Amino acid sequence: KQEVTQIPAALSVPEGENLVLNCSFTDSAIYNLQWFRQDPGKGLTSLLLIQSSQREQTSGRLNASLDKSSGRSTLYIAASQPGDSATYLCAVNQAGTALIFGKGTTLSVSS
Amino acid sequence: GAVVSQHPSWVICKSGTSVKIECRSLDFQATTMFWYRQFPKQSLMLMATSNEGSKATYEQGVEKDKFLINHASLTLSTLTVTSAHPEDSSFYICSARDWGGTSGGAPNEQFFGPGTRLTVL
Repeated sequence: KQEVTQIPAALSVPEGENLVLNCSFTDSAIYNLQWFRQDPGKGLTSLLLIQSSQREQTSGRLNASLDKSSGRSTLYIAASQPGDSATYLCAVNQAGTALIFGKGTTLSVSS
Repeated sequence: GAVVSQHPSWVICKSGTSVKIECRSLDFQATTMFWYRQFPKQSLMLMATSNEGSKATYEQGVEKDKFLINHASLTLSTLTVTSAHPEDSSFYICSARDWGGTSGGAPNEQFFGPGTRLTVL
């Protein structure tokens, strides 16, 4: 059974810092992996999707990498801003099934 | 990008009543939709997989008679919480899978609705 783990559970950084969020999964037979952002009481915002054949995806200050063989993905946020404060969720997609989510990393960026 | 809507966005009801939540894919056809539930400060937990024209598949521990799912068309799935109780209060989120990539997104990508906040008094 696929399990997704995110470390750390919470992270507090000052504005301007670069940071890395980690995601690991137990079954490498995935179709793709997505990173989402969730603000308190709100729905999900898709940030990046990496297909299993890809190594990384970039969008603005965000860069996500995927190492399928080792079951790991990282989300790199450059020059963090207070507006980046949210919970970041990692989810894997195995063909034919729903997304399986990690428990998330709650990020707080102070000004 | 593909858009998935949910209605209502929030609902407050009395214990014992039933509540219906709609999930629509607005610009693509979704043969498969998923229903998730999220309790405060927890991650999303899959409740059921809804396939157009067939019965939903429920995850272990989810009562199918309490959470009725109907997926009558390629763009609409509904979740009905029957005889709701305070412990059913939660954030319910649906997603729709774009198998063919017709939405312009990646093949097999899932798109999420904005969620429905259910509060049962």
